[in-house]
Amino acid sequence: NAGVTQTPKFQVLKTGQSMTLQCAQDMNHEYMSWYRQDPGMGLRLIHYSVGAGITDQGEVPNGYNVSRSTTEDFPLRLLSAAPSQTSVYFCASSYLTGTGADTQYFGPGTRLTVL
Amino acid sequence: AQKITQTQPGMFVQEKEAVTLDCTYDTSDQSYGLFWYKQPSSGEMIFLIYQGSYDEQNATEGRYSLNFQKARKSANLVISASQLGDSAMYFCAMRGYTGNQFYFGTGTSLTVIP
Repeated sequence: NAGVTQTPKFQVLKTGQSMTLQCAQDMNHEYMSWYRQDPGMGLRLIHYSVGAGITDQGEVPNGYNVSRSTTEDFPLRLLSAAPSQTSVYFCASSYLTGTGADTQYFGPGTRLTVL
Repeated sequence: AQKITQTQPGMFVQEKEAVTLDCTYDTSDQSYGLFWYKQPSSGEMIFLIYQGSYDEQNATEGRYSLNFQKARKSANLVISASQLGDSAMYFCAMRGYTGNQFYFGTGTSLTVIP
Protein backbone atom coordinates (compact mmCIF):
# COMPACT_ATOMS: atom_id res chain seq x y z
CA ASN A 1 0.00 0.00 0.00
CA ALA A 2 1.96 3.02 -1.30
CA GLY A 3 -0.58 5.65 -0.16
CA VAL A 4 -0.27 8.91 -2.11
CA THR A 5 2.68 9.21 -4.46
CA GLN A 6 3.91 12.32 -6.24
CA THR A 7 6.49 12.81 -8.94
CA PRO A 8 8.85 14.52 -9.36
CA LYS A 9 10.16 15.51 -5.93
CA PHE A 10 12.05 18.50 -7.28
CA GLN A 11 11.71 20.45 -10.51
CA VAL A 12 13.25 23.59 -11.97
CA LEU A 13 11.47 25.28 -14.87
CA LYS A 14 12.08 28.34 -16.97
CA THR A 15 9.38 30.97 -17.30
CA GLY A 16 6.91 29.94 -19.98
CA GLN A 17 7.60 26.22 -19.85
CA SER A 18 4.81 23.77 -19.15
CA MET A 19 4.88 20.62 -17.10
CA THR A 20 2.71 18.07 -15.32
CA LEU A 21 2.97 17.10 -11.68
CA GLN A 22 1.85 13.53 -11.21
CA CYS A 23 -0.22 12.25 -8.30
CA ALA A 24 -1.54 8.77 -7.68
CA GLN A 25 -3.24 7.03 -4.76
CA ASP A 26 -4.03 3.36 -4.17
CA MET A 27 -6.60 3.71 -1.38
CA ASN A 28 -9.66 3.99 -3.65
CA HIS A 29 -10.35 7.49 -2.36
CA GLU A 30 -13.00 9.47 -4.17
CA TYR A 31 -11.68 12.88 -3.13
CA MET A 32 -8.34 14.19 -4.40
CA SER A 33 -6.88 17.65 -4.19
CA TRP A 34 -3.86 19.80 -4.99
CA TYR A 35 -2.45 22.44 -2.67
CA ARG A 36 0.39 24.86 -2.85
CA GLN A 37 2.31 25.84 0.25
CA ASP A 38 4.04 29.18 0.49
CA PRO A 39 5.79 30.61 3.57
CA GLY A 40 3.34 32.21 6.01
CA MET A 41 0.28 31.26 3.95
CA GLY A 42 -0.47 27.72 4.97
CA LEU A 43 -1.87 25.37 2.35
CA ARG A 44 -4.04 26.86 -0.36
CA LEU A 45 -6.35 24.71 -2.45
CA ILE A 46 -5.70 24.82 -6.20
CA HIS A 47 -8.12 22.23 -7.61
CA TYR A 48 -9.99 19.27 -6.27
CA SER A 49 -12.00 16.31 -7.52
CA VAL A 50 -14.78 14.26 -5.98
CA GLY A 51 -14.52 11.41 -8.46
CA ALA A 52 -13.42 10.39 -11.92
CA GLY A 53 -14.53 12.94 -14.48
CA ILE A 54 -15.39 15.59 -11.87
CA THR A 55 -13.07 18.47 -11.01
CA ASP A 56 -13.55 21.91 -9.54
CA GLN A 57 -11.56 25.00 -8.73
CA GLY A 58 -10.22 25.85 -5.34
CA GLU A 59 -8.92 29.11 -3.95
CA VAL A 60 -5.99 29.67 -6.36
CA PRO A 61 -6.72 27.89 -9.69
CA ASN A 62 -5.27 30.38 -12.18
CA GLY A 63 -2.42 28.97 -14.24
CA TYR A 64 -3.23 25.35 -13.41
CA ASN A 65 -5.31 22.64 -15.07
CA VAL A 66 -6.38 19.26 -13.75
CA SER A 67 -8.16 16.20 -15.03
CA ARG A 68 -9.38 13.01 -13.36
CA SER A 69 -9.76 10.18 -15.82
CA THR A 70 -9.38 7.44 -13.20
CA THR A 71 -9.99 7.15 -9.46
CA GLU A 72 -6.26 6.67 -8.87
CA ASP A 73 -4.66 9.55 -10.79
CA PHE A 74 -4.99 13.32 -10.51
CA PRO A 75 -2.30 15.17 -12.48
CA LEU A 76 -1.73 18.92 -12.15
CA ARG A 77 -0.65 20.81 -15.26
CA LEU A 78 1.16 24.12 -15.26
CA LEU A 79 0.29 25.71 -18.57
CA SER A 80 2.96 28.43 -18.80
CA ALA A 81 5.12 28.56 -15.70
CA ALA A 82 5.66 31.88 -13.95
CA PRO A 83 8.02 32.76 -11.05
CA SER A 84 4.92 33.28 -8.87
CA GLN A 85 4.29 29.54 -9.15
CA THR A 86 7.49 28.75 -7.28
CA SER A 87 6.16 26.77 -4.34
CA VAL A 88 5.82 23.37 -2.73
CA TYR A 89 2.93 21.39 -4.15
CA PHE A 90 1.06 18.72 -2.22
CA CYS A 91 -1.42 16.22 -3.52
CA ALA A 92 -3.85 14.69 -1.02
CA SER A 93 -6.71 12.19 -1.04
CA SER A 94 -9.50 11.07 1.24
CA TYR A 95 -12.83 9.33 1.31
CA LEU A 96 -15.89 11.43 0.64
CA THR A 97 -17.98 12.03 3.68
CA GLY A 98 -21.28 13.62 4.48
CA THR A 99 -20.23 14.66 7.95
CA GLY A 100 -16.80 16.27 7.59
CA ALA A 101 -15.02 13.20 8.92
CA ASP A 102 -12.14 11.32 7.29
CA THR A 103 -8.72 12.86 7.15
CA GLN A 104 -6.73 13.54 4.04
CA TYR A 105 -3.56 11.62 3.29
CA PHE A 106 -0.79 13.66 1.74
CA GLY A 107 1.87 12.87 -0.80
CA PRO A 108 5.49 13.81 -0.06
CA GLY A 109 5.31 17.06 -2.02
CA THR A 110 6.99 18.52 -5.10
CA ARG A 111 9.32 21.49 -4.71
CA LEU A 112 9.01 23.60 -7.86
CA THR A 113 11.24 26.51 -8.77
CA VAL A 114 10.44 28.73 -11.75
CA LEU A 115 13.31 30.89 -12.97
CA ALA B 1 -17.44 31.36 4.30
CA GLN B 2 -15.17 28.82 5.93
CA LYS B 3 -12.09 30.13 7.69
CA ILE B 4 -9.42 28.82 10.02
CA THR B 5 -7.33 31.19 12.14
CA GLN B 6 -4.09 30.35 13.89
CA THR B 7 -2.83 33.45 15.68
CA GLN B 8 0.48 32.10 16.99
CA PRO B 9 3.13 32.19 14.25
CA GLY B 10 5.76 30.78 16.61
CA MET B 11 5.76 29.08 20.00
CA PHE B 12 8.48 27.83 22.32
CA VAL B 13 8.10 25.18 25.00
CA GLN B 14 10.47 23.54 27.41
CA GLU B 15 11.02 19.83 26.96
CA LYS B 16 8.58 17.74 29.07
CA GLU B 17 6.20 20.68 29.48
CA ALA B 18 2.71 20.88 27.95
CA VAL B 19 1.86 23.39 25.22
CA THR B 20 -1.40 24.60 23.68
CA LEU B 21 -1.63 25.66 20.05
CA ASP B 22 -4.62 27.85 19.29
CA CYS B 23 -7.10 27.43 16.47
CA THR B 24 -10.39 29.17 15.84
CA TYR B 25 -12.73 28.52 12.97
CA ASP B 26 -15.73 29.95 11.24
CA THR B 27 -18.30 27.94 9.35
CA SER B 28 -21.98 27.92 8.56
CA ASP B 29 -22.05 24.12 8.27
CA GLN B 30 -23.82 22.22 11.03
CA SER B 31 -21.63 19.17 10.54
CA TYR B 32 -17.88 19.50 10.15
CA GLY B 33 -14.59 17.97 11.14
CA LEU B 34 -11.54 19.57 12.69
CA PHE B 35 -8.06 18.22 12.11
CA TRP B 36 -4.51 18.90 13.19
CA TYR B 37 -1.48 18.08 11.06
CA LYS B 38 2.21 18.18 11.84
CA GLN B 39 4.83 19.16 9.30
CA PRO B 40 8.41 18.46 10.43
CA SER B 41 11.37 20.07 8.71
CA SER B 42 11.50 17.10 6.32
CA GLY B 43 8.31 18.47 4.78
CA GLU B 44 5.74 15.68 4.95
CA MET B 45 2.28 16.31 6.34
CA ILE B 46 1.33 13.99 9.19
CA PHE B 47 -2.22 13.62 10.47
CA LEU B 48 -2.39 13.93 14.27
CA ILE B 49 -5.95 14.12 15.52
CA TYR B 50 -9.58 14.57 14.48
CA GLN B 51 -12.64 16.02 16.21
CA GLY B 52 -16.16 15.81 14.85
CA SER B 53 -18.54 18.68 15.44
CA TYR B 54 -21.06 16.38 17.09
CA ASP B 55 -18.54 14.59 19.29
CA GLU B 56 -19.25 15.33 22.92
CA GLN B 57 -15.88 14.18 24.20
CA ASN B 58 -12.62 15.89 23.34
CA ALA B 59 -10.47 13.77 21.06
CA THR B 60 -7.23 12.29 22.35
CA GLU B 61 -4.42 10.45 20.59
CA GLY B 62 -1.53 9.57 22.84
CA ARG B 63 0.13 12.83 23.93
CA TYR B 64 -2.18 14.88 21.70
CA SER B 65 -5.58 16.12 22.76
CA LEU B 66 -7.98 18.51 21.14
CA ASN B 67 -9.67 21.06 23.39
CA PHE B 68 -12.93 21.54 21.49
CA GLN B 69 -15.18 24.42 22.53
CA LYS B 70 -17.99 24.52 20.02
CA ALA B 71 -19.70 27.66 21.27
CA ARG B 72 -16.44 29.58 21.05
CA LYS B 73 -15.55 27.91 17.73
CA SER B 74 -12.15 26.91 18.97
CA ALA B 75 -10.20 23.67 18.51
CA ASN B 76 -6.92 24.02 20.33
CA LEU B 77 -4.27 21.31 20.20
CA VAL B 78 -2.67 20.34 23.49
CA ILE B 79 0.62 18.47 23.41
CA SER B 80 1.58 17.00 26.75
CA ALA B 81 5.13 16.14 27.85
CA SER B 82 6.77 17.84 24.86
CA GLN B 83 9.66 16.08 23.17
CA LEU B 84 12.41 17.45 20.95
CA GLY B 85 10.82 15.61 18.03
CA ASP B 86 7.69 17.71 18.44
CA SER B 87 9.52 20.70 16.95
CA ALA B 88 7.62 21.30 13.69
CA MET B 89 4.93 23.35 11.98
CA TYR B 90 1.41 22.53 13.09
CA PHE B 91 -1.64 23.18 10.94
CA CYS B 92 -5.26 23.28 11.98
CA ALA B 93 -7.79 22.36 9.31
CA MET B 94 -11.53 22.08 8.94
CA ARG B 95 -13.64 20.02 6.57
CA GLY B 96 -17.21 21.01 6.07
CA TYR B 97 -20.27 19.08 5.04
CA THR B 98 -20.63 21.40 2.05
CA GLY B 99 -18.20 20.63 -0.76
CA ASN B 100 -15.93 18.31 1.20
CA GLN B 101 -13.08 20.78 0.93
CA PHE B 102 -10.44 21.22 3.61
CA TYR B 103 -9.55 24.69 4.86
CA PHE B 104 -6.19 25.26 6.51
CA GLY B 105 -4.82 27.83 8.90
CA THR B 106 -1.48 29.50 8.34
CA GLY B 107 0.25 27.28 10.86
CA THR B 108 2.19 27.58 14.12
CA SER B 109 5.89 26.85 14.33
CA LEU B 110 6.65 25.01 17.57
CA THR B 111 10.17 24.80 18.95
CA VAL B 112 10.91 22.49 21.87
CA ILE B 113 13.83 23.67 23.98
CA PRO B 114 15.97 21.07 25.76
